[in-house]
Amino acid sequence: QKEVEQNSGPLSVPEGAIASLNCTYSDRGSQSFFWYRQYSGKSPELIMFIYSNGDKEDGRFTAQLNKASQYVSLLIRDSQPSDSATYLCAAYTGRRALTFGSGTRLQVQP
Amino acid sequence: GAVVSQHPSRVICKSGTSVKIECRSLDFQATTMFWYRQFPKQSLMLMATSNEGSKATYEQGVEKDKFLINHASLTLSTLTVTSAHPEDSSFYICSGRGQGVDTEAFFGQGTRLTVV
Repeated sequence: QKEVEQNSGPLSVPEGAIASLNCTYSDRGSQSFFWYRQYSGKSPELIMFIYSNGDKEDGRFTAQLNKASQYVSLLIRDSQPSDSATYLCAAYTGRRALTFGSGTRLQVQP
Repeated sequence: GAVVSQHPSRVICKSGTSVKIECRSLDFQATTMFWYRQFPKQSLMLMATSNEGSKATYEQGVEKDKFLINHASLTLSTLTVTSAHPEDSSFYICSGRGQGVDTEAFFGQGTRLTVV
C-alpha cells in the first residue's frame, strides 16, 4: 500500500465549477498535510497546508482534513483554465521528508 | 514564501561525466535539505535527506556513491551525479526546510538532466 494515494485522473471540470481533489494516507502518525500544484516541467508550488481536523480556507481553495478517516481533500472554487495542472498531496510524519502521492491531473475546460 | 534557488535549470552531459546541481536557500536557514527525482508522468521520489553538517541519509535503492550530497552550510546543498548514464536522465528537485515539526518545505526550480 502506498503511503499517500491519489487518483491519477484526469479530473475534468468546466470553468467556474468546483474541483474536488482527494487523497488518503496510511500512516496515522502523519502530522501535517500539504497540497502542491505542479505545472508540466516545473517544480511544485505550495498551495496550502493543514494539520488540524476540519476545513481551512484560503481564497478559492479549501483544504479539508479528517484524521479519523485518514483523508485529505482540496476544493477549488470557481475553477479557471489556469488551474489546470497536477495536484500533489503530501504528508509529513515528522521523522522524514514529505511523502508525495502520485498526483491528480486536473483539466479545467473553458 | 521562502526561496530556494536551484542551478542549473537544464543540463546536458555526456555519459560517464559528472554533473553538480546546487541548491541555495536565499532567505532562511535550511537545516534539512531533501533531494527528489521525478521521471516523466511520475510522482516525486525522495532520493536522500541531508542535515547541515551531517552525512546524507539515502533512500533504499539510491546509490550513495553515485549521487553525492553535500550540505556543508545552512544555505547550500549540492547533489553530484557521478559517472552519469542515460537512465539518470530525469528532473531533479531540491527542497529545503527550516527547523520545526510543521515547517513547510520550499522547492527549488528543478534541474532537467539529460545524459547523452
